[in-house]
Amino acid sequence: DQQVKQNSPSLSVQEGRISILNCDYTNSMFDYFLWYKKYPAEGPTFLISISSIKDKNEDGRFTVFLNKSAKHLSLHIVPSQPGDSAVYFCAALYGQNFVFGPGTRLSVLP
Amino acid sequence: SQTIHQWPATLVQPVGSPLSLECTVEGTSNPNLYWYRQAAGRGLQLLFYSVGIGQISSEVPQNLSASRPQDRQFILSSKKLLLSDSGFYLCAWSVRSQETQYFGPGTRLLVL
Repeated sequence: DQQVKQNSPSLSVQEGRISILNCDYTNSMFDYFLWYKKYPAEGPTFLISISSIKDKNEDGRFTVFLNKSAKHLSLHIVPSQPGDSAVYFCAALYGQNFVFGPGTRLSVLP
Repeated sequence: SQTIHQWPATLVQPVGSPLSLECTVEGTSNPNLYWYRQAAGRGLQLLFYSVGIGQISSEVPQNLSASRPQDRQFILSSKKLLLSDSGFYLCAWSVRSQETQYFGPGTRLLVL
């Protein structure tokens, strides 16, 4: 059973517009959430994280929102740039239990 | 600053051959270390993690094994590779008291 879900395998957005990537989780024990970005044939790079005691964290063009009651988080990228085209993984953590979602491939079109 | 190395970057091996992938971390002490696999079109699957020398936890039953002979060295091995072992293998580390994991560049393994 998948504990972390990213139901959109792919997303296309026009350059300059907002990209919204969604993630849902099932285990209420998760208390820390992260987003990673991955280019082909490279390791994922950490983007932004949020603790379960917060509902929003912002870093430059990236904002993560957490809705604990809905067990849902989202990553907003504003404005989207062609260099943002990559696979984005949502990850959830409690203790040593670190679970990744299947990823969403974002394509930012010029 | 901390860096993580993996080698080789790419490996093509015949079915039934052994495997050894190495991961080393620099610039930190006593890290947690992880091995992940990303199969084609799929997410990241945690294979092993280690909280110290000689301490290995396995997340899924499989044809692979891991060892941590030194504090900042993590090795992924197999005695006999299967076709299904093909994939992209990633090593990661984290500081014990923090949550974020940092990934190496990965090894692309193709078993033929």
